[in-house]
Order: sequence, then structure tokens, then C-alpha cells
Amino acid sequence: KAGVTQTPRYLIKTRGQQVTLSCSPISGHRSVSWYQQTPGQGLQFLFEYFSETQRNKGNFPGRFSGRQFSNSRSEMNVSTLELGDSALYLCASSLDILYSGNTIYFGEGSWLTVV
Amino acid sequence: AQSVTQPDIHITVSEGASLELRCNYSYGATPYLFWYVQSPGQGLQLLLKYFSGDTLVQGIKGFEAEFKRSQSSFNLRKPSVHWSDAAEYFCAVGAEKLTFGTGTRLTIIP
Repeated sequence: KAGVTQTPRYLIKTRGQQVTLSCSPISGHRSVSWYQQTPGQGLQFLFEYFSETQRNKGNFPGRFSGRQFSNSRSEMNVSTLELGDSALYLCASSLDILYSGNTIYFGEGSWLTVV
Repeated sequence: AQSVTQPDIHITVSEGASLELRCNYSYGATPYLFWYVQSPGQGLQLLLKYFSGDTLVQGIKGFEAEFKRSQSSFNLRKPSVHWSDAAEYFCAVGAEKLTFGTGTRLTIIP
């Protein structure tokens, strides 16, 4: 079956703009989480959604937001982009909520460059 | 708070040699532990996971890891590496969210 699909794969934005990234989880998976990966900070948890509700949120400013739709697809949005937002944004899905011990599968990520 | 330490930033091994990547964690309860591998420009692929039970866990691509509660460790091993194993390896811990280590970059020399 298809894996976690993220779009777009690559994008370049200008400081001050906003960006929306999309994630389609594995079919049947209801939990979607987002991570930011940068050379300096490594992999950091952004937020997790389950059944259209945000269950957990990492330590990121309010410019970072997300949502989940009824079909479990998720989007994350970053407003007022800063140079430091340049990163690989990874989406992950799992069958159920994380602490139930489900395996978490990652997509290939969206590479965001802010200039 | 949960945390993961991967003390080796970069490891170089010869093809065919054995491999051990170290991972130490801090977690308040019985941890869920994972090893992921990332090739350049790619996402994360799950190698193996530990939730409970047998402390020696078998994964894909011939990897295994051993959970040692007394040492708070979850080291990844492979008896004989292949050139295709060159990648970055991440250890992670968590239940409600994953906390990752900083990664170990593995280089294979012929």
C-alpha cells in the first residue's frame, strides 16, 4: 500500500511569506504528526493530530500551525516565514494514537528554503 | 522529560566489519524505543522498535538492538555491514511524541 505522501517535495519562499505543506497518511492511519529537521537543531516534534484534534504540540511559536481533515489528511502552515524556518519538514502517520505503541511511518519530507 | 543521547556523531567502518551504534535514553516509564535510518535527501525508515518483551529486537536489513534497562541503553548492531548501509541513523524514544537523538552518520569504506 502507498506510504506517507508529502507535497510539495521542494519549495522556495521569501521571508515574510507563508507556506502550507500537505501530508496524506497511510490508508487507515488516523494519527498524523509533524517534525522539523535542521542541521542545527536536529529532529524536533511540531505537533500531532488524531481524529481532527491536536493532541500534542512541541515548543514552536504560534506561526506554526496545523490541522487534520476528516479523511486524516493533514496540513501544516507556517506564517511570516523567517530564514531559520528553512528545514526538512517530515510528516509521520500511525494507525492510532502514539502512546498505544503503534509504529510510526515517515514520509520523504518537504524541503523548505526561505530566502 | 525524555531525551536521547547518541554519543557518536560519525563512525567509519570497513565493509564486512561489525557495527555497533550507541544510544542512551532518559524516560520516566517503560520506554518505547526506535531506530530509524535516513539516506541523503530521504525521509526516515524504521529499522526496528522495542515496546516490551524480549530485550533483543530484530529489525530489517539484518539489524538488531538490545534494550538494557539497567544501562538505559538501546544499542544498534549489525554483524557485517554492506556499502548500502552508509546513512544517518537516529535513535528515538517516546510514547505520545518521539524525541530523537542527534544522529550518527555511518561511513563505509571498501
